[in-house]
Amino acid sequence: QVQLVQSGAEVKRPGASVRVSCKASGYTFTAYYIHWVRQAPGQGLEWLGWFNSNSGATDYAQRFQGRVTMTRDMSSSTAYMELSRLRSDDTAVYYCARDFSPYALHYIFDYWGQGTLVTVSS
Amino acid sequence: DIQMTQSPSSLSASVGDRVTIACRASQSIRTYLNWYQMKPGKAPKLLIYAASTLQSGVPSRFSGSGSGADFTLTISSLQPEDFATYYCQQSYISPRTFGQGTKVDIK
Repeated sequence: QVQLVQSGAEVKRPGASVRVSCKASGYTFTAYYIHWVRQAPGQGLEWLGWFNSNSGATDYAQRFQGRVTMTRDMSSSTAYMELSRLRSDDTAVYYCARDFSPYALHYIFDYWGQGTLVTVSS
Repeated sequence: DIQMTQSPSSLSASVGDRVTIACRASQSIRTYLNWYQMKPGKAPKLLIYAASTLQSGVPSRFSGSGSGADFTLTISSLQPEDFATYYCQQSYISPRTFGQGTKVDIK
């Protein structure tokens, strides 16, 4: 069965960086795009960007450009999202999610990770 | 950015009730509208995509309708496992945006 398993909670100081991992199993990792979405406390969901697990291409939401980097390790079928220059309003649960169609980009998220809480506090 | 507005923001209902949640986009998104269910501590779940297509494995009591800017998620007979928060999401134009959520709780 398809699973996306994320790394554990993180606490970071303002200005630091955080890297969240998302280990995929149960499907061909390189066949599907991975998206990253976050939810701040009491807020709605916000899309950060996508990552092409096959080519390594990326597209980031404009408000995160320059601060977010998405990568992967094909040997372990793991996607990564790194967010730099953290601020207190980056405190959120970060999710990875798979796009639902192989080798295509639909922005429809059929499987999600369990979420990783990132807390930014001095 | 396209703004997605859900109504109501919360509702109380009983098991067996018919529940309807509305989602309005700030411009036409054709049928590029998806619905998700979220429960605390669990991975979000895709329910409906392309406005009205039921995701595989999702019970048939869930249905979606609409096109253009106005959409609806309907639960025909609310079950205990349906108490959750529901989000709409437009997949038409970047940045792909979500509604603010509708929390369905027990009356």
